[in-house]
Amino acid sequence: AQKVTQAQTEISVVEKEDVTLDCVYETRDTTYYLFWYKQPPSGELVFLIRRNSFDEQNEISGRYSWNFQKSTSSFNFTITASQVVDSAVYFCALSGGGSNYKLTFGKGTLLTVNP
Amino acid sequence: DGGITQSPKYLFRKEGQNVTLSCEQNLNHDAMYWYRQDPGQGLRLIYYSQIVNDFQKGDIAEGYSVSREKKESFPLTVTSAQKNPTAFYLCASRDRGRTDTQYFGPGTRLTVL
Repeated sequence: AQKVTQAQTEISVVEKEDVTLDCVYETRDTTYYLFWYKQPPSGELVFLIRRNSFDEQNEISGRYSWNFQKSTSSFNFTITASQVVDSAVYFCALSGGGSNYKLTFGKGTLLTVNP
Repeated sequence: DGGITQSPKYLFRKEGQNVTLSCEQNLNHDAMYWYRQDPGQGLRLIYYSQIVNDFQKGDIAEGYSVSREKKESFPLTVTSAQKNPTAFYLCASRDRGRTDTQYFGPGTRLTVL
């Protein structure tokens, strides 16, 4: 069975601080995919990144960066110089390599960035 | 504009009534999914369909039904057998191309009165 754990339920920071959201996963698949989604107050999930299990290279996109470490089964997400617009719930998700491509979600981390 | 639409945004129903949530996409995606989200929880898969006229149960299918008669449409019916239907429902479709990722609609918030 697959499992995703986001231990941080809520995080509150002041604007311009850096913040890291943790994600730990469990799977028996050798091929799998990891995702991060953002859910702003409007409710729609916004796709941020997809990473496959064979690619451990870290990625940076503007103020966002992701650290994937298979040795610790973690896929952490860092926002640098946070802004109020970053306030949202962030979900980490895992999909196996099968054709049905079902996503298993963590419970999410509510990030509040205060001005 | 390409995208996924869900209607209505808010839905109220009385206990014992069936209700159908709409999900439409014009992205030409084959696969579509329905998820349920409860407060403080992640998303849980209700049903999914990989192709027209075919669908499979997800992790919490009891009390729900779906159909997939057209590629663009994947409606979800919440039946009176669903014991706790008040939730936020999200529909997604999957791009098997470059991103190979599920993209989500804006959601429908269902409240049972």
